[in-house]
Amino acid sequence: EAQVTQNPRYLITVTGKKLTVTCSQNMNHEYMSWYRQDPGLGLRQIYYSMNVEVTDKGDVPEGYKVSRKEKRNFPLILESPSPNQTSLYFCASSTYSGQGAYGYTFGSGTRLTVV
Amino acid sequence: QKEVEQNSGPLSVPEGAIASLNCTYSDRGSQSFFWYRQYSGKSPELIMSIYSNGDKEDGRFTAQLNKASQYVSLLIRDSQPSDSATYLCAVNVEYGNKLVFGAGTILRVKS
Repeated sequence: EAQVTQNPRYLITVTGKKLTVTCSQNMNHEYMSWYRQDPGLGLRQIYYSMNVEVTDKGDVPEGYKVSRKEKRNFPLILESPSPNQTSLYFCASSTYSGQGAYGYTFGSGTRLTVV
Repeated sequence: QKEVEQNSGPLSVPEGAIASLNCTYSDRGSQSFFWYRQYSGKSPELIMSIYSNGDKEDGRFTAQLNKASQYVSLLIRDSQPSDSATYLCAVNVEYGNKLVFGAGTILRVKS
């Protein structure tokens, strides 16, 4: 089954404790992206990657890191989480062409709470 | 000005009616436009994509694009209670490298 798999689904952590949210896709998609979703603000892009070893900042990259060492994986790293990073996080992937990324397939989401 | 704007709603329509959802965008260079549906507590699901001016129909859904007016809309015919969800408009910006979402419109279909 074609899918984007995120782990964990739920995470409660303390301020400053490094964490990684994993994302993996099995569709051989070139393009992968991380979003956070907050009430009233919608989905905001954190980072995206157009292929292996190619990443770029989205609209809200502060406090986050990513890497794309393999085509299928795109982990999101919070080196020192803070309460304002409490949010619902989505990983997404898509094919990519001259017109940009096509429709995304989203993962199931990770609800992160930082206390 | 936000890059992609939607009326937050809620938009309430009776079962069987046509629901009309609207979206405007600011990047004149945008070429790709998408509508996603998101049920409460779930991830967004792609329901329509449109790349050329005019209408595109898929079942009960019709997407409409007017690049001159920088306007995208989604019509849902014969609305069903199961269509009750948040509908997200998304637009490719910066030569397609970024997909920007609107904040979404809540649709409620009353039986």
